[in-house]
Amino acid sequence: DAKTTQPPSMDCAEGRAANLPCNHSTISGNEYVYWYRQIHSQGPQYIIHGLKNNETNEMASLIITEDRKSSTLILPHATLRDTAVYYCIVRVANAGGTSYGKLTFGQGTILTVHP
Amino acid sequence: KAGVTQTPRYLIKTRGQQVTLSCSPISGHRSVSWYQQTPGQGLQFLFEYFSETQRNKGNFPGRFSGRQFSNSRSEMNVSTLELGDSALYLCASSAQGSWETQYFGPGTRLLVL
Repeated sequence: DAKTTQPPSMDCAEGRAANLPCNHSTISGNEYVYWYRQIHSQGPQYIIHGLKNNETNEMASLIITEDRKSSTLILPHATLRDTAVYYCIVRVANAGGTSYGKLTFGQGTILTVHP
Repeated sequence: KAGVTQTPRYLIKTRGQQVTLSCSPISGHRSVSWYQQTPGQGLQFLFEYFSETQRNKGNFPGRFSGRQFSNSRSEMNVSTLELGDSALYLCASSAQGSWETQYFGPGTRLLVL
């Protein structure tokens, strides 16, 4: 799976949009971009994923650049409860063999939302 | 639909003991993966089970083992516990194939004294 690079920490004011970048310059054509977040001492929570088109759900939007080498997770109106570690993960679309069930987590971005 | 459940949520053991952790996946999910999370190493993949078969295994010693039952519930066992096994153990389930989205449980926090 391709490696991702994320800033170690970011701040955001409550009510404003939080834009979390992720670099995945070695991504392959058959790899998805996944975003999870982990609130302190809880299990990671799935947020969104995409292949090459921008995606939106009730939690967030995912913007993937045309060359697919980077992406941005957007939380449109951040709240204090969005304070968490955000992980960007890339993994093959048809994971098999040594990729079965395996998500490779990096260090993530600590997002702190301030009042 | 109920989420992934893990029991127990907290556990204290002493070195040399063994421990068994349980995971019940989301109803209808057949794949269960296990992860270990420590402050030093972050989230690391342990193993994955599908239809009672282990399909993949991470780089952990043989003291870490698991199994999956016909109802897709899974257990992991750690024998001869070491202090370094203190961690948050997470399981995640997905519907069918390993490429599908994984949903995590709340984890079991294990403390080894």
